[in-house]
Amino acid sequence: DVKVTQSSRYLVKRTGEKVFLECVQDMDHENMFWYRQDPGLGLRLIYFSYDVKMKEKGDIPEGYSVSREKKERFSLILESASTNQTSMYLCASSSTSGISYEQYFGPGTRLTVT
Amino acid sequence: RKEVEQDPGPFNVPEGATVAFNCTYSNSASQSFFWYRQDCRKEPKLLMSVYSSGNEDGRFTAQLNRASQYISLLIRDSKLSDSATYLCVGAEGFKTIFGAGTRLFVKA
Repeated sequence: DVKVTQSSRYLVKRTGEKVFLECVQDMDHENMFWYRQDPGLGLRLIYFSYDVKMKEKGDIPEGYSVSREKKERFSLILESASTNQTSMYLCASSSTSGISYEQYFGPGTRLTVT
Repeated sequence: RKEVEQDPGPFNVPEGATVAFNCTYSNSASQSFFWYRQDCRKEPKLLMSVYSSGNEDGRFTAQLNRASQYISLLIRDSKLSDSATYLCVGAEGFKTIFGAGTRLFVKA
């Protein structure tokens, strides 16, 4: 059974703080993704990675950076948190083998920036 | 214009009803399509993949119309447990675009 875990379910940070969100998957998947989900907007892709140390910008990368030093771990960094980054953050992973590219999601981190 | 568009609903249906959702996509390069289900305060989970020939999984039937660029999901004999948000997804390689979701409430 694929498992994607995220470091925190709920997080409250102050404006200007540096925030780290960690994601770990145990299925040896090549691809990992970070999304944010906001009401009415659905899931929006922030960054994705298709290999260790590789990263690609998604649709809304501004204000975020990522790190993938190990295959199983993909970190999202908010360099200086702002209130408009209050959101639900979802990590996902997928394999490049097979035809489906099904994405498996972690439980999400609800981040509030005050 | 959003790349993947869905009617947000909500759809309110009685148990046993048949309900259909449609979704349109704008990227003609999209190769793979999916329906995900997301329960309240939970992560999305794959419900089914969508193939050009149409596919069925129990009470759920998915269809893809490439010419008109839309995807559909039909749920027959709705159950209370089908209440959720259904996300339409188009993918080009491993880059996926999610629709904002359609909310379904099934009532007794």
